[in-house]
Amino acid sequence: GAVVSQHPSRVICKSGTSVKIECRSLDFQATTMFWYRQFPKKSLMLMATSNEGSKATYEQGVEKDKFLINHASLTLSTLTVTSAHPEDSSFYICSAPMAAGGPYNEQFFGPGTRLTVL
Amino acid sequence: AQSVTQPDIHITVSEGASLELRCNYSYGATPYLFWYVQSPGQGLQLLLKYFSGDTLVQGIKGFEAEFKRSQSSFNLRKPSVHWSDAAEYFCAVGGGSQGNLIFGKGTKLSVKP
Repeated sequence: GAVVSQHPSRVICKSGTSVKIECRSLDFQATTMFWYRQFPKKSLMLMATSNEGSKATYEQGVEKDKFLINHASLTLSTLTVTSAHPEDSSFYICSAPMAAGGPYNEQFFGPGTRLTVL
Repeated sequence: AQSVTQPDIHITVSEGASLELRCNYSYGATPYLFWYVQSPGQGLQLLLKYFSGDTLVQGIKGFEAEFKRSQSSFNLRKPSVHWSDAAEYFCAVGGGSQGNLIFGKGTKLSVKP
């Protein structure tokens, strides 16, 4: 099956610093990638949709200036958490559908990135 | 709006016993339904999916799920649970506003020896 990777898998940073998380589709091109956030013992909540060649679409309540998304190529999307604070500590997961559009497309998930802000 | 409900937060079953995890969805059109499993600190693995056709869907690791339109349900079943099945299980429906999946809150499965 298709593979999506994330890097790093785990990061610890000091409050006020910025952290970049990469999401790569390894064996297919993804014009769209999704970034989810998962709080402990909670479900996955969509943060934003990353679109290659255009601006990301953010869900209501997600600060676009804090969570910067760049879809640099058809295989790479990055999420940068700027001026991170302890409340940003979470598990961030990206996913990519094999083909654009449609609710029926299977999505492939990255292994996730555990962010801890001290 | 689309939504997914998993009524059981935590279920404990004995190894070898049967399992059923419940999932109810709310969706205006034909739903595209998924079950994912997540081990601690890991990403999500697809167990099975339903798009159309036979309402009983077979997945990996011996899991199956049955789509019941009249009950808006897509329950996950396994006839005999193994200790390695202990994990968090998420039901999801396709069709979010951005083409994303909408997830239920998950059911944690614990397996007693």
